[in-house]
Amino acid sequence: NAGVTQTPKFQVLKTGQSMTLQCAQDMNHEYMSWYRQDPGMGLRLIHYSVGAGITDQGEVPNGYNVSRSTTEDFPLRLLSAAPSQTSVYFCASSPRLAAPGDTQYFGPGTRLTVL
Amino acid sequence: SQQGEEDPQALSIQEGENATMNCSYKTSINNLQWYRQNSGRGLVHLILIRSNEREKHSGRLRVTLDTSKKSSSLLITASRAADTASYFCAMDTGGFKTIFGAGTRLFVKA
Repeated sequence: NAGVTQTPKFQVLKTGQSMTLQCAQDMNHEYMSWYRQDPGMGLRLIHYSVGAGITDQGEVPNGYNVSRSTTEDFPLRLLSAAPSQTSVYFCASSPRLAAPGDTQYFGPGTRLTVL
Repeated sequence: SQQGEEDPQALSIQEGENATMNCSYKTSINNLQWYRQNSGRGLVHLILIRSNEREKHSGRLRVTLDTSKKSSSLLITASRAADTASYFCAMDTGGFKTIFGAGTRLFVKA
């Protein structure tokens, strides 16, 4: 049981490049989410999914796309990278967020730098 | 911003002392959770308190919740050097979105 895995761990992009951050979980969780963490700030929700085929926007969705074709995978796509997207990105999953007591399990993070 | 606010931003104590960090929020919540983050790692869930609970314990952790003041506190008793980390409160407001505070950085000196 690997939990939540993220790849890559580190990435450097040039402005305008696109890329996909991968996230996978092997716990059969319905809910998955993407957050970004900037220095001195908590986590801000980018996008989330409550099941395969269902996604919705979080607090800071601009510049990012997601899809959920399977329960296990929830990739985050940066369409045209900008320096403002330099951050640490965390993926998380939860059995069912709507039920009290369902905590989120976090991946180790991807540190992204956009030059 | 919908983010919760935590204070202090940073806290430095000696091993064996108690550490208290506070969280305030703006909207109604279903529950409030506390997470820990070691440097360079993901967040790890510590404890959850529901909106109808006032206090909860887990080992050396004690969490209180005052919904009338929209605030919560996390107390770590008899701190150890291994408790050095950042601690975040996270509010479940319903609607599948969790709001995180900005965190308190705790440093426990051996």
